[in-house]
Amino acid sequence: DTEVTQTPKHLVMGMTNKKSLKCEQHMGHRAMYWYKQKAKKPPELMFVYSYEKLSINESVPSRFSPECPNSSLLNLHLHALQPEDSALYLCASSRDTGELFFGEGSRLTVL
Amino acid sequence: GIQVEQSPPDLILQEGANSTLRCNFSDSVNNLQWFHQNPWGQLINLFYIPSGTKQNGRLSATTVATERYSLLYISSSQTTDSGVYFCAPQGGTYKYIFGTGTRLKVLA
Repeated sequence: DTEVTQTPKHLVMGMTNKKSLKCEQHMGHRAMYWYKQKAKKPPELMFVYSYEKLSINESVPSRFSPECPNSSLLNLHLHALQPEDSALYLCASSRDTGELFFGEGSRLTVL
Repeated sequence: GIQVEQSPPDLILQEGANSTLRCNFSDSVNNLQWFHQNPWGQLINLFYIPSGTKQNGRLSATTVATERYSLLYISSSQTTDSGVYFCAPQGGTYKYIFGTGTRLKVLA
């Protein structure tokens, strides 16, 4: 089973809202990732958690707040976003530093 | 950080044709993956290939790490092969950096 599940699949929010994106995997992977993808661009790395600790933050604005409650779950809390933050947000996991497996993504629109 | 360039940026093929996609990277890498992104945005794993050659059906891939490139071969293309192909070398621990992508359209 190589499945990473992301919810919601679509999210529309206003600039004053607070919302969260969720990601879950049951493959026993110990690294989990958030990537952001704008239209017609490649995915860009945002955050990496390794063994439930934040390992990489690619200078992401603080209006994006990641959380890893346990080794199977990864959240991305969103607050005071801008319209330019509208994008496809992709979650991935890997067994340590090995092969990445992606979820289907959460498509976010900020009004 | 590592720079990743893919070529060609766009490719249109007639069904049944063969093609080669190229991925050049600017620094030594530990691992490399190829992905196909379908029209709905899902990234599908094609190959995990830090070096050498692998084949999976009509697709094969070769990575020459010492020369900093990887190739993806698609033979007898089908309309379902349409989409965007990304390579993603691993430039540092946990740092998979995506290339610029090749947008492929296969015509029936």
